[in-house]
Amino acid sequence: QSALTQPASVSGSPGQSITVSCTGTSSDVAGYNYVSWYQQHPGKAPKLMIYEVSNRPSGVSDRFSGSKSGNAASLTISGLQAEDEADYYCVSYSSSNTPSVFGTGTRVTVL
Amino acid sequence: QVQLQESGPGLVKPSQTLSLTCTVSGGSITNGGYFWSWIRQHPGKGLEWIGYIYFDGGTRYNPSLKSQLSISIDTSKNQFSLTLSSVTAADTAVYYCARLGAYSSPKYAMDVWGQGTTLTVSS
Repeated sequence: QSALTQPASVSGSPGQSITVSCTGTSSDVAGYNYVSWYQQHPGKAPKLMIYEVSNRPSGVSDRFSGSKSGNAASLTISGLQAEDEADYYCVSYSSSNTPSVFGTGTRVTVL
Repeated sequence: QVQLQESGPGLVKPSQTLSLTCTVSGGSITNGGYFWSWIRQHPGKGLEWIGYIYFDGGTRYNPSLKSQLSISIDTSKNQFSLTLSSVTAADTAVYYCARLGAYSSPKYAMDVWGQGTTLTVSS
């Protein structure tokens, strides 16, 4: 099972909006509404930011939103803040022999 | 509030068997709503799914690790464990345990993570 494809890096200025893409296949992203997004700061454990494509866990800022179209999911961060600088990973359920498929990861930089 | 805590040896020699344990506190590991998962991260790299176990002992493993991997559960101790045999330098990584939603929301999302434990394979 191949990893989901994410851009290596995305950057933006404070206050701007950025979008991180996550591209999969019909066996994962396109086939199920079980895409989640995680934020990871250096030396820290990942933190769930979005689940089931577009739902935010309690305590996660509403500046974070998720969506999906076909085989591509997206994470949008609006009103970019310095604290948003981190690595972001998408994960999807997959009907392949690997039920949890991770994305390649995206480094978000706040300029 | 459920918390997870990994524990392990930190350093193992090549060809040895690695054992890591994840202790669940603040909730029961027999909660049927979750899979109990292991994920690892090689130095400077992305996340890799290792496998998970359900409270009844059912497991799913990453096919690339299946030959050397075993995940078990001890409901009396509220713990689950990972055993990796014949380790090499390629198994050097930070290992995380996490709770993965199974039959209730957040379905197939990992909402609780341990802090991670660093494993180095070196002679």
